[in-house]
Amino acid sequence: RKEVEQDPGPFNVPEGATVAFNCTYSNSASQSFFWYRQDCRKEPKLLMSVYSSGNEDGRFTAQLNRASQYISLLIRDSKLSDSATYLCVVSSGTYKYIFGTGTRLKVLA
Amino acid sequence: EPEVTQTPSHQVTQMGQEVILRCVPISNHLYFYWYRQILGQKVEFLVSFYNNEISEKSEIFDDQFSVERPDGSNFTLKIRSTKLEDSAMYFCASFGRTEDEQYFGPGTRLTVT
Repeated sequence: RKEVEQDPGPFNVPEGATVAFNCTYSNSASQSFFWYRQDCRKEPKLLMSVYSSGNEDGRFTAQLNRASQYISLLIRDSKLSDSATYLCVVSSGTYKYIFGTGTRLKVLA
Repeated sequence: EPEVTQTPSHQVTQMGQEVILRCVPISNHLYFYWYRQILGQKVEFLVSFYNNEISEKSEIFDDQFSVERPDGSNFTLKIRSTKLEDSAMYFCASFGRTEDEQYFGPGTRLTVT
């Protein structure tokens, strides 16, 4: 089983749509969870950390289910500028990051 | 906003040559990392560095690779004898423990011909 697994997509959605991405991780000792965004040939940039209680930042909502080892990201009212690859990232006590393959999102006008 | 910087942005080298990729982490950070991303593939952990020594390394980080913090600001990745399969984006990251996340530099694109 892959350490961090994501559907690679692509997800093609119209502007204004709501889209959800899922991610599963295999190491139950994982401690920190993140969604990063990566534009083509650029560095990953933090979108949001993911907490057990769930958290929201504007149009973005992240959820963590430790029992199922599952993380989700919901994007509401998607914009053209949301087009990117969304990376699920998991970290354990050594602080190194384990990345998923990423989910490509394309928002269409 | 503080940022991680990397030089060069693009390096072309011939197979068998040595390359040094340079990074300047955020100044008060203590943990430093190198990751690589082969075109079209996921970002992979190479090595972490703390307190002037390697704290963890992946299977990819074999004897051809080394890291160094030669002074108080730079953090380097050396590949001794490059192979075609070393062609990738190499990202440096730093982490301060007072924040949640690692900050990534813009990357160095290494092309081995």
